[in-house]
Amino acid sequence: AQTVTQSQPEMSVQEAETVTLSCTYDTSENNYYLFWYKQPPSRQMILVIRQEAYKQQNATENRFSVNFQKAAKSFSLKISDSQLGDTAMYFCAFMKLTPGTYKYIFGTGTRLKVLA
Amino acid sequence: DTEVTQTPKHLVMGMTNKKSLKCEQHMGHRAMYWYKQKAKKPPELMFVYSYEKLSINESVPSRFSPECPNSSLLNLHLHALQPEDSALYLCASSQGGGGNYGYTFGSGTRLTVV
Repeated sequence: AQTVTQSQPEMSVQEAETVTLSCTYDTSENNYYLFWYKQPPSRQMILVIRQEAYKQQNATENRFSVNFQKAAKSFSLKISDSQLGDTAMYFCAFMKLTPGTYKYIFGTGTRLKVLA
Repeated sequence: DTEVTQTPKHLVMGMTNKKSLKCEQHMGHRAMYWYKQKAKKPPELMFVYSYEKLSINESVPSRFSPECPNSSLLNLHLHALQPEDSALYLCASSQGGGGNYGYTFGSGTRLTVV
């Protein structure tokens, strides 16, 4: 069975600084997807970034980038130039590449607070 | 329209009541999901509809009854709930029949059972 571990329950960062959130996972699959979602106090889960395991290039979306280390089963999220609006709970998620299997395995989340 | 709209935003119901949660999307997504989220926990999958057919039921108690009347609409009918069912209920949708491109979530319905 797959598991996803986020070892940092809470983190804080000064505005404009850079922060890295860690995520490790355990799977015997070779093809899968990894995601980071943010959930601000408004409650809506928002897709931050997506990585396909068969692509070696790390995904980037503006100030958000990942460090995907497939052999180490590590998928960390780097937020550059942190903004107050980045304050949220961040969930790492894993999905198998198997037709008919639409289930995410979520980590327990990291609560990030950006300080003014 | 790039949104998933959930109504109501808040709901308080008694244990003998019957109520429904509604979820709507007009992005042409063909998979829709119900998740339950307790405070400070990740979401837990309840149901998946793919092309308007129920494809996954994560052993959810029968007091929760999903319905997908058409490709844009997803309902969750609630009956005889327990206080422990109080939670945030999130609806999501995704392209095609799966979620490998990521989900679009709604803002949820905060349900309190009294």
